[in-house]
Amino acid sequence: EAQVTQNPRYLITVTGKKLTVTCSQNMNHEYMSWYRQDPGLGLRQIYYSMNVEVTDKGDVPEGYKVSRKEKRNFPLILESPSPNQTSLYFCASSLSGDGSNYGYTFGSGTRLTVV
Amino acid sequence: KNEVEQSPQNLTAQEGEFITINCSYSVGISALHWLQQHPGGGIVSLFMLSSGKKKHGRLIATINIQEKHSSLHITASHPRDSAVYICAVRRGATNKLIFGTGTLLAVQP
Repeated sequence: EAQVTQNPRYLITVTGKKLTVTCSQNMNHEYMSWYRQDPGLGLRQIYYSMNVEVTDKGDVPEGYKVSRKEKRNFPLILESPSPNQTSLYFCASSLSGDGSNYGYTFGSGTRLTVV
Repeated sequence: KNEVEQSPQNLTAQEGEFITINCSYSVGISALHWLQQHPGGGIVSLFMLSSGKKKHGRLIATINIQEKHSSLHITASHPRDSAVYICAVRRGATNKLIFGTGTLLAVQP
């Protein structure tokens, strides 16, 4: 089944403890991206990647890192999480960066709580 | 002011009604997307538009580039259409997406 897999689905952590949220796709998609969703603010783009070793900032990159060493994986790293990074996170992929050819495929989301 | 505005924020309809959700944007775009977020949180792409109109089943999406406006129509609405509908625009020639805050649709039987 074609899908984007995010792990974990739920995570509670403490301020300052480094964490990684994994994202993997099995569709050979070029484009991958991370978003956070907050009440009243909607979805906001954190980082995106057009291909292996090519990443770029979205609208809210502060406090996050990403890497794209393999085409299928695009992990989101929080080096020193803070409570304002408590949010619902989504990873998505598409065949091309403009989302044409079947649009974006989203992961199921990761609900992160930083205390 | 947000760069992407949706209206209405909340919409309640009776089963069978024709529904329209609007999206206006203030930036130059290369494409506009409509997404559906199910009550369980999953997000699905519905349409990508750069001009004109697209139809898929009971869903129709239109875009007017000159007026910087798009509409999503649902014909013969059904309770299973209840979801949050999100408009997103691809800014200029970049691959950055900007999202509206969504329209919460509830279709009552």
